[in-house]
Amino acid sequence: GEDVEQSLFLSVREGDSSVINCTYTDSSSTYLYWYKQEPGAGLQLLTYIFSNMDMKQDQRLTVLLNKKDKHLSLRIADTQTGDSAIYFCAESISNDYKLSFGAGTTVTVRA
Amino acid sequence: DTGVSQDPRHKITKRGQNVTFRCDPISEHNRLYWYRQTLGQGPEFLTYFQNEAQLEKSRLLSDRFSAERPKGSFSTLEIQRTEQGDSAMYLCASRPEQETQYFGPGTRLLVL
Repeated sequence: GEDVEQSLFLSVREGDSSVINCTYTDSSSTYLYWYKQEPGAGLQLLTYIFSNMDMKQDQRLTVLLNKKDKHLSLRIADTQTGDSAIYFCAESISNDYKLSFGAGTTVTVRA
Repeated sequence: DTGVSQDPRHKITKRGQNVTFRCDPISEHNRLYWYRQTLGQGPEFLTYFQNEAQLEKSRLLSDRFSAERPKGSFSTLEIQRTEQGDSAMYLCASRPEQETQYFGPGTRLLVL
């Protein structure tokens, strides 16, 4: 199967770190992605990680992958109000293939 | 602007009518994808083109749905005899070889 699960909501104070978690079931997944969606907009690719990596860092974003537990997380350092959005975890068995998405985590940043 | 574009951005139609959406991918992206996103859910894959060839269709794509990419550039998605359950955001994405998918802004469909 290609189930991807995420917690639905996260509330974080401005300046704190946010951690969004995701689990997937397809052991053949080779690419794992994080997308951001703001209200009424399409999806913006934030970052992705190949399954032979454990971690990837890109400015304020850190992705951690535990392939054994099929667990993916996205950490946003110094969370800002502009980070308020829905964050989707997605997986694919290849970079050429369709994406399977989770239901999204709504992140609300409070002052 | 060289991003993925979709037209229209919003469409309201009555049940039973046909609708057609258009997607213009990023120039020279040979792969094009359609997804459907309902409220509170993540996008679900519908279909995928490599150039003009439609390589995969999801079981979500009933016989009322048809997608084309006649010249390997823009693509259209048509829904015939629309039903209220078709109300959703329809997202298009494109990608070149060896890269990830870039999404358009979507077409939001409301069937009354």
